[in-house]
Amino acid sequence: NAGVTQTPKFQVLKTGQSMTLQCAQDMNHNSMYWYRQDPGMGLRLIYYSASEGTTDKGEVPNGYNVSRLNKREFSLRLESAAPSQTSVYFCAGGQDRIGNTEAFFGQGTRLTVV
Amino acid sequence: QKEVEQDPGPLSVPEGAIVSLNCTYSNSAFQYFMWYRQYSRKGPELLMYTYSSGNKEDGRFTAQVDKSSKYISLFIRDSQPSDSATYLCAMRGGFKTIFGAGTRLFVKA
Repeated sequence: NAGVTQTPKFQVLKTGQSMTLQCAQDMNHNSMYWYRQDPGMGLRLIYYSASEGTTDKGEVPNGYNVSRLNKREFSLRLESAAPSQTSVYFCAGGQDRIGNTEAFFGQGTRLTVV
Repeated sequence: QKEVEQDPGPLSVPEGAIVSLNCTYSNSAFQYFMWYRQYSRKGPELLMYTYSSGNKEDGRFTAQVDKSSKYISLFIRDSQPSDSATYLCAMRGGFKTIFGAGTRLFVKA
């Protein structure tokens, strides 16, 4: 039982390159989330998926796209990376019960865009 | 003004001390209140969550919510060096969760 697994753990991109961050959970969560964490700003929601087949924008969706491939997997894509997207990205999952939704976080992906 | 304010610290205490961590918020729609612990270079882990006002205790941890003052607290009793981490408060109303920026805590042996 791995919980929430993110790949890769580290990545360096050049400006304009694209990449996909992968997230998979084995806890049968309905809801999944992508956050970014920047110093002094806390976690900010990029996109979320309340259930398989649905996705919605969060607070900072510009420059990102997501795909809820199935119940287990929720990927985040940067089509044309910018230095402002340098951050630590976290995927989270939880059941669709208020107060317990972002219950489990992955270990994070440290992304640097140069 | 941020919706959730949290003192970034760092807060340094001796082993065995009682630690008090706090957050204030401005949105009265928040109904669920969470505390997460985040070790360096790790993902946050949910410590406690509370619905509406009141206290909740789990081992050495106690969470308090005062909705009238828009103020939440996390108390850690008998603090240990292993409690050294960043503590994030979070609040939820509807499908929206807002996180505080976190307070760094150091517990010295």
